[in-house]
Amino acid sequence: GDSVTQMEGPVTLSEEAFLTINCTYTATGYPSLFWYVQYPGEGLQLLLKATKADDKGSNKGFEATYRKETTSFHLEKGSVQVSDSAVYFCALNLRASKIIFGSGTRLSIRP
Amino acid sequence: NAGVMQNPRHLVRRRGQEARLRCSPMKGHSHVYWYRQLPEEGLKFMVYLQKENIIDESGMPKERFSAEFPKEGPSILRIQQVVRGDSAAYFCASSPAGRISNQPQHFGDGTRLSIL
Repeated sequence: GDSVTQMEGPVTLSEEAFLTINCTYTATGYPSLFWYVQYPGEGLQLLLKATKADDKGSNKGFEATYRKETTSFHLEKGSVQVSDSAVYFCALNLRASKIIFGSGTRLSIRP
Repeated sequence: NAGVMQNPRHLVRRRGQEARLRCSPMKGHSHVYWYRQLPEEGLKFMVYLQKENIIDESGMPKERFSAEFPKEGPSILRIQQVVRGDSAAYFCASSPAGRISNQPQHFGDGTRLSIL
């Protein structure tokens, strides 16, 4: 079945470090791919999306490229800040119903 | 605030009671989705509704859980005879009609349900 696998957390980095959170997916068809972010006690916010192969989604310094050949959608940021500390979810949406989420990666940034 | 509104934010129930969770979608959105998040886990799809119709309830437990999205008013997720294992955060999301797969779902802040 359709699924999303993402890097286990927690991930702890120092401020200004480079971030990569790996995400791979399995899907029958051509899904749209998303990264959502969840701050403590809050709901999910859409961080970025890509709807077809080779699309690059970007927002707030974060980027992810839809790689069909490797079925991946890795999240990257060149220089993280303390305010980026949150849980990040990779997700896919195939049809007009449900989003399938990865298990989430908790990111902590040290000042 | 024109976002997805969920209430209550926190709900405490004793075992055997009923829990009712409400969700008002974003203005102009006619599709509503409910997800459950257990502690330290990702979100799991429960049910997808349009006005007066359940489109996909494949993630909904067969017993005690029901959902509706009436013509007027918010969507309701109802849990009867709650048990400790129902303790979780329940999130509602909405999206506009049309070609959905590339339209992101917008999430509310969730209802945190605690069962004593």
